[in-house]
Amino acid sequence: ETGVTQTPRHLVMGMTNKKSLKCEQHLGHNAMYWYKQSAKKPLELMFVYNFKEQTENNSVPSRFSPECPNSSHLFLHLHTLQPEDSALYLCASSQWDRSRGLAGLGIEQYFGPGTRLTVT
Amino acid sequence: DQQVKQNSPSLSVQEGRISILNCDYTNSMFDYFLWYKKYPAEGPTFLISISSIKDKNEDGRFTVFLNKSAKHLSLHIVPSQPGDSAVYFCAAEETSGSRLTFGEGTQLTVNP
Repeated sequence: ETGVTQTPRHLVMGMTNKKSLKCEQHLGHNAMYWYKQSAKKPLELMFVYNFKEQTENNSVPSRFSPECPNSSHLFLHLHTLQPEDSALYLCASSQWDRSRGLAGLGIEQYFGPGTRLTVT
Repeated sequence: DQQVKQNSPSLSVQEGRISILNCDYTNSMFDYFLWYKKYPAEGPTFLISISSIKDKNEDGRFTVFLNKSAKHLSLHIVPSQPGDSAVYFCAAEETSGSRLTFGEGTQLTVNP
């Protein structure tokens, strides 16, 4: 496997279900991200992990719970979602440059193919 | 308040001609700009970037221009090829921030 992989690629879940999205990066990067892309809207940053520590939570509802056990893996745990949460969820990674401080995050992020989530 | 805007949702050009994709931003703290390309069923892939200390960056058929006074950047693709047909996202980062802010994307279609 190369690059950034995400599983599953498609997921249909009811509002009472609990599911998890998985992301794995094979690039040796030290920062990982979750984005949400809804139709006709820009990519919305949800969470940022830098060296396994969450450095940003972009006002995301608690029904989305991220987990980063190591610098290569990132999960997004989902529970009691709403139909408006249906979207494409993208994972990304990048190499944080310490010399740029926090601004080192975000440069040239590498994205996975995404998980198309439908909440019924 | 959308800080990065791509006002053209779609653009259609003939093969061999120039494609010009535009992006406007409002946050004067942005100091690094990127273009990503996205094919259906794939994640966005990094294409080209430019620092605010430059006004032009070129990589093969792709050139990004930055006009800081107008808070405007553009991506030029020449010559355009059918394989360039994709959604193009403009993104920006500020020095003090830890995030990329994306535009809505522009669907480019290059007709043979």
